[in-house]
Parts: sequence; structure tokens; C-alpha cells
Amino acid sequence: QKEVEQDPGPLSVPEGAIVSLNCTYSNSAFQYFMWYRQYSRKGPELLMYTYSSGNKEDGRFTAQVDKSSKYISLFIRDSQPSDSATYLCAVEEGGTSYGKLTFGQGTILTVHP
Amino acid sequence: SAVISQKPSRDICQRGTSLTIQCQVDSQVTMMFWYRQQPGQSLTLIATANQGSEATYESGFVIDKFPISRPNLTFSTLTVSNMSPEDSSIYLCSVEARTGAQGIQYFGAGTRLSVL
Repeated sequence: QKEVEQDPGPLSVPEGAIVSLNCTYSNSAFQYFMWYRQYSRKGPELLMYTYSSGNKEDGRFTAQVDKSSKYISLFIRDSQPSDSATYLCAVEEGGTSYGKLTFGQGTILTVHP
Repeated sequence: SAVISQKPSRDICQRGTSLTIQCQVDSQVTMMFWYRQQPGQSLTLIATANQGSEATYESGFVIDKFPISRPNLTFSTLTVSNMSPEDSSIYLCSVEARTGAQGIQYFGAGTRLSVL
């Protein structure tokens, strides 16, 4: 079993749709949760960073963490064609494992006009 | 934030040869990381490189195959040795900037390696 499982997609949605991206993880030691966006031929860029259960909002993006279920989500409201990219969830234990990220498989999102 | 430059951006290499990838960051950082992203796959951590000490490799990766140098706080290299077609992948370096307990990793654009 992989430590982080991500719904693989791909997802194709019309502009303006609400997008839901999801990951589950198996190790309760993971304390920090991230979403990265990766455009084609680019490195991943951090979108959201959370370390507690609950919701964190940043503009059109909302990250949700449920530690009891080991479930993390990213919601994108009013999706735009510029949101078309691969979205990667990532988790980190912290402590002596600071900086060591474990990534999900990534979900390719296409938002069409 | 941190700006990371990776060289080369892409290369096509022959089986059995070696390629050294350079990673330059615009500020001093303690920890640098090297990842591999195989076609259609996610990122897998190869090793952590701290200045002044040997790199720490993850399970499945060994120093003989992926030697790493970290001569100072702004630079690192990863060498892919004795390459085979299975090494065709994107190699990315990242650095971590910490604010208290929060660490943010910044990634370079990656090196696309094709091995024939």
C-alpha cells in the first residue's frame, strides 16, 4: 500500500466548475499537508500548506484536512483554464524527517472554456 | 521564497554514460533535496543533501548510482551514473525555507533526461 493515495483522474471540467481533488494517507505520523500545482515542463509550486484538521482558504482554493480519517482535499472554486495543471498532494512527518515530502500520484486537471 | 536554477534543462544520453545535474539557489539554505519524477508518476525523494555532510539516501537509491555533492549553502550536484533507459526521468532539486515550524519547499524546473 502506498503511503499516499491520490485520485488519479484525469479530470476535465468546464470553466466555472467547482473542482474537488482528494488524497488519503496511511501513516498517522504525518503532520503537515500540502498541495502543489505543476504546470507542464515546470517544477511543482506550493499552493496550500496546512498542519491541522479543518479548512484553510486562500482565494479560490480551499484545503481541507481530516486527520481522523487521514483524508485531505483541495477545492477549487470558479475554475479557470489557467488552473489546468497537475495537482499533487504531499505530506510530511516533521520532527527528524523535516523536509522529506511524500507525494501522491498527481491528478491532471483540464479546465476547458 | 527561493529561486532555483537547474542545469541542464534536458539532455539525451547514451547508455553507460553519466550526467551531472547542477542546482543553484539564490539564497543560502541548509537542506537541499533531489527528487525523481518518472513518466506519468509522482515525485520520489532520492536523497537529502546538507552542506558539510554526506547526503542521506532514501530506500532504493544508492550513492554509487546517484552521487551528490553539496560544496556550499547555495549549490548542489546530482550525478546519474552508468545510465540505462530506466533512468529516463525528470530530476528535480528543491530547497526548504522554514518559518518556525512551517517549511516550504521550492522546486527547480527540473532536468528531463532521456537515455537511449
